[in-house]
Amino acid sequence: KAGVTQTPRYLIKTRGQQVTLSCSPISGHRSVSWYQQTPGQGLQFLFEYFSETQRNKGNFPGRFSGRQFSNSRSEMNVSTLELGDSALYLCASSLAASGRGSKNIQYFGAGTRLSVL
Amino acid sequence: AQSVAQPEDQVNVAEGNPLTVKCTYSVSGNPYLFWYVQYPNRGLQFLLKYITGDNLVKGSYGFEAEFNKSQTSFHLKKPSALVSDSALYFCAVRDRDSGNTPLVFGKGTRLSVIA
Repeated sequence: KAGVTQTPRYLIKTRGQQVTLSCSPISGHRSVSWYQQTPGQGLQFLFEYFSETQRNKGNFPGRFSGRQFSNSRSEMNVSTLELGDSALYLCASSLAASGRGSKNIQYFGAGTRLSVL
Repeated sequence: AQSVAQPEDQVNVAEGNPLTVKCTYSVSGNPYLFWYVQYPNRGLQFLLKYITGDNLVKGSYGFEAEFNKSQTSFHLKKPSALVSDSALYFCAVRDRDSGNTPLVFGKGTRLSVIA
């Protein structure tokens, strides 16, 4: 079974541009979560999607958005890029949503490394 | 609100020696606890989880972790470290009794195993 696939692996953008990152979850997984990883802040939760609906959102500005398609693939978009958006963006999939009592394991992709110049 | 603390940024251990990576957590209810490992240029890889029951949890690659409710800790351990264990380790928690809460990660501990 294929794992979580994130594309592209590397991106270089300049300030003010926008970027779209893609995530294909493990087959059969319906929940996709996105995280931002930086050396200073560690892993910070961005948002979670389940069945095309955003179920949870972290504390990030509105420039960060996402969506999920009917085949569970997800995209996240960052508009008006800032230098501080440089990070490794990780996507994780799980069978079910992070609801009450959820003990689902999240499986991570290799990430997209975004550099903003 | 739930939180995780990994008090050590870096842990150094000699190959063959036992290793411990510390984690303490805070949740309002009961926790689900997880350990993940990250190798360079890779995503996070699941190691083990505590749900309920036996406080000693065994996971991948010979790792284990002990849940201690009174100390709100979930330390990761291995009896004999290998150089290949050198990586970044993350502890994570989810409140079992709260609805719709995301997984919260600690800041990570870098483990270096020296030959």
